[in-house]
Amino acid sequence: GAGVSQSPSNKVTEKGKDVELRCDPISGHTALYWYRQSLGQGLEFLIYFQGNSAPDKSGLPSDRFSAERTGGSVSTLTIQRTQQEDSAVYLCASSLAGGGSSYEQYFGPGTRLTVT
Amino acid sequence: DQQVKQNSPSLSVQEGRISILNCDYTNSMFDYFLWYKKYPAEGPTFLISISSIKDKNEDGRFTVFLNKSAKHLSLHIVPSQPGDSAVYFCAAIGGATNKLIFGTGTLLAVQP
Repeated sequence: GAGVSQSPSNKVTEKGKDVELRCDPISGHTALYWYRQSLGQGLEFLIYFQGNSAPDKSGLPSDRFSAERTGGSVSTLTIQRTQQEDSAVYLCASSLAGGGSSYEQYFGPGTRLTVT
Repeated sequence: DQQVKQNSPSLSVQEGRISILNCDYTNSMFDYFLWYKKYPAEGPTFLISISSIKDKNEDGRFTVFLNKSAKHLSLHIVPSQPGDSAVYFCAAIGGATNKLIFGTGTLLAVQP
C-alpha cells in the first residue's frame, strides 16, 4: 500500500510569493498532521486535522500560514507572502485516529522549502 | 519551552555494541512515548513506542525503557549495525492534544 506522499519534494521561491504544499495521507487514515523541521531543530507541530476539521491549529506560526483538508483526504498547507525564516522541511503525517495505538503517525518524505 | 529534550546531539558506537539514546521530558500529562528514526532526505519512520503504564517494551534489537518518576526514557539498540546510523527522535503525546512533541534528535553513527 502507498504511504504518505507529499508534493513538491523541493520548492524554491522568492520572498513575498505564496506557496502551496500538498499532502496525500495513507488511505483510511482520518488524522492528518503538519510539522516542520528547520535547520538544526526538532520537528515543530503546526496543525492537526481530524477528518476535515482542524481541532488544533496552535502551531501555525503566523496568520500567513493556513491549511485545509478536503474529503477527509488530501491536505494543502499554504504560506502567503513567504519570508526567509519560513525555509524548512515541511512534513506531513497521518494516523488511523487520534488516540491509543493510533498515536503512531506515519510520515511523508517532506517538502524542502527554500525562500530566497 | 522544550518539553521533550534529547541532550546528546550525537553518539558514535562500534558495530555489535549497544547504543543507548536518552530522552527527558517535563510534562507529566504525557502518556505515550515514541521513537522515530530519520534518514537524510526522508521522513521519520516509526520505530517503537511505550505507554506510560509500562516501563519496558521490546521489539527485536530495540528496547525502550521508561522511568516515569525521573521523566526519562531511553532507547537501547543491541547489537548496533551500520544501517542503524540515522537521526533518532524521541516524541511524546498526551493530555488534551493529539500532537506529537518531538525532541531535537540524536545523530547515531555506528562504525563498522
